[in-house]
Amino acid sequence: DQQVKQNSPSLSVQEGRISILNCDYTNSMFDYFLWYKKYPAEGPTFLISISSIKDKNEDGRFTVFLNKSAKHLSLHIVPSQPGDSAVYFCAASAATVFGNEKLTFGTGTRLTIIP
Amino acid sequence: GAGVSQSPRYKVTKRGQDVTLRCDPISSHATLYWYQQALGQGPEFLTYFNYEAQPDKSGLPSDRFSAERPEGSISTLTIQRTEQRDSAMYRCASSLAGPGYEQYFGPGTRLTVT
Repeated sequence: DQQVKQNSPSLSVQEGRISILNCDYTNSMFDYFLWYKKYPAEGPTFLISISSIKDKNEDGRFTVFLNKSAKHLSLHIVPSQPGDSAVYFCAASAATVFGNEKLTFGTGTRLTIIP
Repeated sequence: GAGVSQSPRYKVTKRGQDVTLRCDPISSHATLYWYQQALGQGPEFLTYFNYEAQPDKSGLPSDRFSAERPEGSISTLTIQRTEQRDSAMYRCASSLAGPGYEQYFGPGTRLTVT
């Protein structure tokens, strides 16, 4: 039962254009969402996050949008750069008595930026 | 250290042997997580620690899997009587305690059971 879904395994975007990566979730208890970026032979690195009380969070070229009613979030990268080529994982967590703890990850989307 | 480190980076073992994987988290981080990642999938939660306490073991696939963090810093993940289906990347992550803190991942240990 995949609670976090990334339905596009890969995406190619021209350098300078906008990259949009999508993620859907099924668990309505999720209240914190994150995007991780992963280069080959490295662990995932945190990129940007959003709490369920917000619908948008922006950090430089990266913006995450959250649509709670649709249980959908997206990551926008603009303008896309060759260094953005990586696998992007969407992740979600639900608050527990200890705080937001374990992350549930999607299967990832491989983004390739074409120079 | 500057980041999360894991050892060994690669481990090949024969079916039926026990293996122990090590994680050294960021020194100021109270919380430590173990994930298992199959090829082409995202990391899947195994267990986590707040200091020495292990509040959630729900992701451990069987009683052959166990984890320790006796002094609240370094952690080990032990798989007893390994099976081929245990072959995966095992990732450790750490974070500050409390909600809303991002997890920092180590490079992982690639385990192959032959």
